[in-house]
Amino acid sequence: QSALTQPASVSGSPGQAITISCTGTSSDIGAYNYVSWYQQHPGKAPKVLIYDVSSRPSGISNRFSGSKSGNTASLTISGLQAEDEAYYYCSSYTGTVIFGGGTKLTVL
Amino acid sequence: QVQLQESGPGLVKPSETLSLTCTVSGASITNNYWSWIRQPPGKGLEWIGQIYYGGSTVYNPSLNGRVTISVDTSKSLFSLNLNSVTAADTAVYYCARGNWPLGDWFDPWGQGTLVTVSS
Repeated sequence: QSALTQPASVSGSPGQAITISCTGTSSDIGAYNYVSWYQQHPGKAPKVLIYDVSSRPSGISNRFSGSKSGNTASLTISGLQAEDEAYYYCSSYTGTVIFGGGTKLTVL
Repeated sequence: QVQLQESGPGLVKPSETLSLTCTVSGASITNNYWSWIRQPPGKGLEWIGQIYYGGSTVYNPSLNGRVTISVDTSKSLFSLNLNSVTAADTAVYYCARGNWPLGDWFDPWGQGTLVTVSS
C-alpha cells in the first residue's frame, strides 16, 4: 500500500484561504468516506482536524473544512492565521490506514 | 479527559525487539480501538496497527509480520512489540485511540516517545 500523495508545501497570507489536496486510488480514498486530516506543529503530536471526509471534532474551528471528489480529498483552511503554520497530513481507511506524506503550510 | 502516555526504552539494539507500553487514563480501555503510529525523524506518519479491546488486531502489512499489539484491560494499557529492528525503525512512536466505527481516525494521541535503533 502506497502513501497518499500530498503537495510538499503550500503557502498563503493571513486572512486568505488555502487548499491542500490528498490523492489516492480507487482502493482507498475512492472506496471509502473515511478520510481524516491532522495538524502537527514541530515537536508536538498530531491533532485531528477532520474525520469522515468533512466532519469536525468538537473544539475544531469551522475555518477547517474537508471534501472529497473521486480519488482526491481536500482540506481547506479559510481566514488563514499565523498559528496555522504547521504540517498537515491526510489519511484514509483501506482496511488498514494509510497516511499522506505531509504538507508544510507556511503563513507568509 | 482522555490521556495516553507512552513508555519504554529509548534505545534498542539492531536485531532485538522494541517494546513500548501505552497507559490510558480518563477512559475505559474497553469498547475502543487502540493504535500505534510512528514517525521517523523529519518524515511522515506511518500507521503500525491497532487492537480492539477484545483482542482482535490489524497490522500494517508493510511491517512483514514483525508486529504484535496486545492489551491488558486490568491495567488499562496496551503494548507494542516490534521484532528484528533495524535503523529504519528509528522513530517517534505514538499511541492513539481509534474512533468509531472503524478505528480509522485518531484522537487523542500520546505525546510520543523517541526510539533509536543503534548498537
